[in-house]
Amino acid sequence: GEDVEQSLFLSVREGDSSVINCTYTDSSSTYLYWYKQEPGAGLQLLTYIFSNMDMKQDQRLTVLLNKKDKHLSLRIADTQTGDSAIYFCAESIYDYKLSFGAGTTVTVRA
Amino acid sequence: NAGVTQTPKFQVLKTGQSMTLQCAQDMNHNSMYWYRQDPGMGLRLIYYSASEGTTDKGEVPNGYNVSRLNKREFSLRLESAAPSQTSVYFCASTESGGGTEAFFGQGTRLTVV
Repeated sequence: GEDVEQSLFLSVREGDSSVINCTYTDSSSTYLYWYKQEPGAGLQLLTYIFSNMDMKQDQRLTVLLNKKDKHLSLRIADTQTGDSAIYFCAESIYDYKLSFGAGTTVTVRA
Repeated sequence: NAGVTQTPKFQVLKTGQSMTLQCAQDMNHNSMYWYRQDPGMGLRLIYYSASEGTTDKGEVPNGYNVSRLNKREFSLRLESAAPSQTSVYFCASTESGGGTEAFFGQGTRLTVV
């Protein structure tokens, strides 16, 4: 969706950290999400953050939210080959509608 | 656990043909959605059903119709397929409300020639 923007590609070395960035435009967003899509599969929810939070950590995943700049990031620590996928940022403006970014294709190289 | 099941997985249609994509969820979710995924454009919402008995247009509804047959099933119909409808279609469901996880089907890859 045009309201959520993310870079299209990221290449990272195995073991390094990956940082995927996203910007959104609607300040009334209530929840912001990161989804992962592996080849030939549907999307799986990785994590989400409520709009009144600044940070959320879940094992190797860290989500940072800068509400003033409408900027969301996902950091994956110790990136593995299994992390190669497309990552989608999404925002929930109304309670049940998601607006997705174009997706960032992450390639992990040995 | 079946989750969200879509059929068919692949389909080739000729321009002008019609077809219905089926979606069923077994999680007793209230809300269901149809998205299309095109390269470089993410997922765009076609139609959604906030609850049984209601349907609403999303971002790109033209050329599609939907039916929320019951709480479990939400179908997407292409009455007269066009090459611009070549895409991967995903059905999703949510329990309801923000912050709840959207569960996705495996997708239907549709080619219109």
